[in-house]
Order: sequence, then structure tokens, then C-alpha cells
Amino acid sequence: EADIYQTPRYLVIGTGKKITLECSQTMGHDKMYWYQQDPGMELHLIHYSYGVNSTEKGDLSSESTVSRIRTEHFPLTLESARPSHTSQYLCASSERSDNGGYTFGSGTRLTVV
Amino acid sequence: AQSVTQLDSQVPVFEEAPVELRCNYSSSVSVYLFWYVQYPNQGLQLLLKYLSGSTLVKGINGFEAEFNKSQTSFHLRKPSVHISDTAEYFCAVSGAGGYQKVTFGTGTKLQVIP
Repeated sequence: EADIYQTPRYLVIGTGKKITLECSQTMGHDKMYWYQQDPGMELHLIHYSYGVNSTEKGDLSSESTVSRIRTEHFPLTLESARPSHTSQYLCASSERSDNGGYTFGSGTRLTVV
Repeated sequence: AQSVTQLDSQVPVFEEAPVELRCNYSSSVSVYLFWYVQYPNQGLQLLLKYLSGSTLVKGINGFEAEFNKSQTSFHLRKPSVHISDTAEYFCAVSGAGGYQKVTFGTGTKLQVIP
């Protein structure tokens, strides 16, 4: 079944730790995205990729980095987590044309203590 | 630049009653419009989309939306809601064509009351 997977679903981590949020999709989509979601706020785009070896920063300033070495895999890394990074992180993918809208993963809820 | 406004942050409605969730957008170019639903502890799921053609768009779970270019609106409607429709609903807009940025609204929480 074509889908998009995010792990872990929940993560509580101490300040200063390095973490990687995983995102994989089985649909062969060219485009992938990372969004940050906070209650009552619009989704903020933090990173996106239009294909292998292509990554761009989004609208929201972020201290995270991403990589796209394989089409299906788009991990997000925080080198040194801070309490301000506490949020829900959503990964999404879409076909090249975007006509179909986005397919979202179930999200990773990150808490930095 | 484009923007999306969802005026209602919360909408309570009784089961089997009709509901309308409002969405207004602004954009200087032709647009694609989307509605997504997010159930608790889940990601967003595409409900329906408007790309071109008929202004009345039907989606999953009995929802429909009407594109009104003159009023720059894309309101979501359902004639009779169920408890299972309790969720948060997000309107989104992008410029028409590929490689266009998508802007999401702040969401409307639909609470269906038994």
C-alpha cells in the first residue's frame, strides 16, 4: 500500500541532544516537505525537496537540516535540540505537478525538556 | 503573495445538522484550492481539491466545496454531519501549475455534538 511513514511518533529528549526525524514514502513522489505545526497556527514550511540531492529552506527559519539521498527518504536532523523546538513535525510528499495535493505522514510530536 | 483566512477557529454543530466551514483566500494569480482534514494524533488527509472546471467540488466522506472567484472563497459544506466528522479542517491555496508554494490556513475545529 502506497503511504508515507514517520518515526518516531512521539519523542521526549533533553536539551542539547542531536535527533533525526525519519520520513519515508513508497509512492515514488518527487517532492517532499517538512512542516511544523503548533496549535492554532498555520502550518509552517521548514524544508522542501524537489528531488534527489535537491533541498531548500522554507518560510520558517529553522535550525534543522535535511537530506535527500534517495527519492523515498527525507530525514530531518536537529543538531542540538532546544525547548523552542518543541512542536509537531509533519512530513508530506506530492507528485511533480502538485495537482493531487499532498500526502501527509502521521507526524512526530517532539518535546524538548 | 497569497494568504488563506479561516475565520472560525471552532464550529460546534449537532449531529445530523448541516455545516459550513468558511475559507477565504487572496492571490494575484490563478489558484488551486484544497481542503484537508486532521483527526486527533494524525497527519492531514486530503478531502477535496479545486483545480479548474466545475466550481462545485465533491470530496470524500460526503463533503463538498464551492469555488467562488468573485468572493475569493472556497467554503466547505456537509448536509448532515456525524460524530466521526469531529476533527480539524484546513483550507489551503497554491498558485496554479507546478512548483508553486502552498499556504495553509490556521484550521477550524469541527465539534459534532451528539
